[in-house]
Order: sequence, then structure tokens, then C-alpha cells
Amino acid sequence: EVQLVESGGALVQPGGSLRLSCAGSESSFNTFALSWLRQTPGKGLEWVSALSGSGSTTYYADSVKGRFTISRDTSKNTLFLQMNSLRAEDSAVYYCAKRMFASGDDAFDVWGQGTLVTVSA
Amino acid sequence: DIQMTQSPSSLSASVGDTVIITCRTSESIGSYLNWYEQKPGEAPKLLIYGASTLHTGVPSRFSGGGSGTDFTLTISRLQPEDFATYYCQQSYTTPRSGFGGGTKVEVK
Repeated sequence: EVQLVESGGALVQPGGSLRLSCAGSESSFNTFALSWLRQTPGKGLEWVSALSGSGSTTYYADSVKGRFTISRDTSKNTLFLQMNSLRAEDSAVYYCAKRMFASGDDAFDVWGQGTLVTVSA
Repeated sequence: DIQMTQSPSSLSASVGDTVIITCRTSESIGSYLNWYEQKPGEAPKLLIYGASTLHTGVPSRFSGGGSGTDFTLTISRLQPEDFATYYCQQSYTTPRSGFGGGTKVEVK
């Protein structure tokens, strides 16, 4: 089973930028539909962004649209989340997750361990 | 957006008990409902997808049911390793999806 390892979380000031990475353990990673999700004690689990398996289509939650960009580097088996114009409400543990498709169903079957982003002055 | 309401938000139970967690959605989502288990400091783990299909490796004491707007997760014969927080997730609007607020199962 593929493993996902996130990195890049840090303390950043409001208005700042950060790039999160999610490294996959095998080359088939480059065919997966992947998502970024985040979790806070107050707002719970929230879907943030998704990338299609082909890499040609991206999706964003309204709360991050125009500020965050999801992308993949197939040569490095790595998914990225570029986060700009960060706000305090973006503070969370960020997870990358692989989407599984089975008989028309769709779920997140593999998750990374998470990386903490704190936006504060 | 589809609103998702889990209940209860927490419950206390003993090893061997049967626990039932409910998830209600604000509009019908067919069977596009998944359940996850999360332990402190860990990422969520997929338990059930398509409302009732057990994910690979998940013990048979877990079961899911429901369709439309009302769903249940049942844990029969609760084991020590089952004390955790459980979340429902709708995949009807995939890839955009939403999660319930979680149900924490604690030791009585």
C-alpha cells in the first residue's frame, strides 16, 4: 500500500506564504486522485483541495480559492499545496489523502500523518 | 452545501457494549457516505464506504447502514482499541466533500 508523508508545516505570519509537500512511496502515486484536507479542534475536518488522477483538473474549497494552489511533480512523486495570503483561520493540521474508487463509491483510503500550519503574528 | 450532523457528539461505553452513532445529512445523498476512525495524534482511517461496505482489514464488529439522509455506524462488542473519535463523510459532491462533527467514544 502506498504511503504518504507530508512536510512543510511551520509558523508563519498572517499574509505570508507556505508550501506543503506530500511525498508518495511509489510511482503509481502519479496516477492517484489526491486531496488536501485540514483539521482544527474548532472546525473539525475540512476538505481543502483536490487534484484529478490525470493531474489536469483541480478543485478548491471556497475558503481557499484564489489563495491556494494544488499541483504535482511526477518526477518526484510529490503533491504540493502552495498557500498564499495566509490567515489565522488557515491554522490547522493539514493532511494529504488518496481517493479510492470502488463500485461507484469514493473515499479517502490512505492518509498522510499530517503537518501543522500555524498562522500567527 | 450539504450539512452533516452527527450524534451524539460523545458517549461513554464499556468493553463489550454495542455502540450506535448516527449521521444525518441536510439533503439526500443516496449511499455516498463513509465512516472514519481517528485516534489522538493520528490521521483518520477509513472504516466503511458506500454506507455499508467494510474497508479492507476492518473488523466485522463494525457495520454501517442507512441511505438517503440517515445513516448509522454500529460497533458491536466494543473492544479496548475502539475508543476513538468517529467521523462521517459525504462523497455525494465529490471531490468536494464534507464531514460530520465527530463522535468521541470514551470509556465509561
